[in-house]
Amino acid sequence: KAGVTQTPRYLIKTRGQQVTLSCSPISGHRSVSWYQQTPGQGLQFLFEYFSETQRNKGNFPGRFSGRQFSNSRSEMNVSTLELGDSALYLCASSFGGYTDSPLHFGNGTRLTVT
Amino acid sequence: GEDVEQSLFLSVREGDSSVINCTYTDSSSTYLYWYKQEPGAGLQLLTYIFSNMDMKQDQRLTVLLNKKDKHLSLRIADTQTGDSAIYFCAERGAHGSSNTGKLIFGQGTTLQVKP
Repeated sequence: KAGVTQTPRYLIKTRGQQVTLSCSPISGHRSVSWYQQTPGQGLQFLFEYFSETQRNKGNFPGRFSGRQFSNSRSEMNVSTLELGDSALYLCASSFGGYTDSPLHFGNGTRLTVT
Repeated sequence: GEDVEQSLFLSVREGDSSVINCTYTDSSSTYLYWYKQEPGAGLQLLTYIFSNMDMKQDQRLTVLLNKKDKHLSLRIADTQTGDSAIYFCAERGAHGSSNTGKLIFGQGTTLQVKP
């Protein structure tokens, strides 16, 4: 069974630009969550999508947004990039239903903002 | 509020046991997780424990949960150099039910295994 796939693996952008990151969950998983990992703040929850609806949201500004498609694939968008947005962005998927299902993570997208 | 604490660094000799500790604050946590992160990689799920359990064993891994003290530990038996990585403890977010995708992570413990 294929794992969580994130593309691209690396991105370099300039301040003020916007970026879109993509995540394909494990087959059958309907929940996709996004996390930001930085040396200073550690792993922080951005948001979660389940059945194309945002189900949970972390404490990030509105520049960070996401969406989920009918096939459960998800995209995350960051607009008006700032230097502080440089981070590893991790996507995780799970079944997301009524029984617990652990989160499985992808290898991440390393975003560098210059 | 929600908070997970871990010690930052642990160094052991190859063949010894490693014990990584974690404390959490949310008494309503239903599941607690251990993830491993190697350089340049994402998070690998190692094991997890339901909050009504005291212990879970999975090959070389043993998880102990003291719910009264909100203390979780991960023991790795016969530690190998390939176990060198950062280990994260995580709990489900307080405001969600057990099926949400929000985890609260500790800062991570860097495990160094010396040959």
